[in-house]
Amino acid sequence: DAKTTQPPSMDCAEGRAANLPCNHSTISGNEYVYWYRQIHSQGPQYIIHGLKNNETNEMASLIITEDRKSSTLILPHATLRDTAVYYCIVRVGGGTSYGKLTFGQGTILTVHP
Amino acid sequence: DGGITQSPKYLFRKEGQNVTLSCEQNLNHDAMYWYRQDPGQGLRLIYYSQIVNDFQKGDIAEGYSVSREKKESFPLTVTSAQKNPTAFYLCASSMGGLGPQHFGDGTRLSIL
Repeated sequence: DAKTTQPPSMDCAEGRAANLPCNHSTISGNEYVYWYRQIHSQGPQYIIHGLKNNETNEMASLIITEDRKSSTLILPHATLRDTAVYYCIVRVGGGTSYGKLTFGQGTILTVHP
Repeated sequence: DGGITQSPKYLFRKEGQNVTLSCEQNLNHDAMYWYRQDPGQGLRLIYYSQIVNDFQKGDIAEGYSVSREKKESFPLTVTSAQKNPTAFYLCASSMGGLGPQHFGDGTRLSIL
């Protein structure tokens, strides 16, 4: 699975958009980009995933560059409850890596009033 | 509501004792997983199961055992052979291998 690089921490004002970047320059054509977040002492929460097209759901938007070497998770109107560690994960399923999620260090997003 | 239930939330084990962590899901997912998380670290895969009566070792299976007798249940036993069992244990499930994994709220295991 491709390695990802994320900034260690970011701040965002409540009500503003939070844009979290992720670099995955060694991504392969069959690898998806997944985003999860983890609030302290809770299980990770799935946010969104995509292959090459931009994706949007009720939680966030995912923008993937045309060369697929980087992506941005956008939380359109951040709230204090969005304070968490955000993980960008790139992976394929099947074979010995079936379903395995490899979490890096992630980005600590702090939303302040 | 559909989801994954892990119990207990906190568990204490004496030296030399086996303990079993419960994981139940009502999402009708085929695949289930157990991960371990240590403080300040990412998740490491212990075991996973693609279908009932089948499971595979993950990266750190030594000292652990699992069973998958029912689709909705995937209990994890931490045996006395696991020398450093103190950790946060997370169960997850997905619809197939590429489907997003949905996690429970975890069980925090400590040694007395």
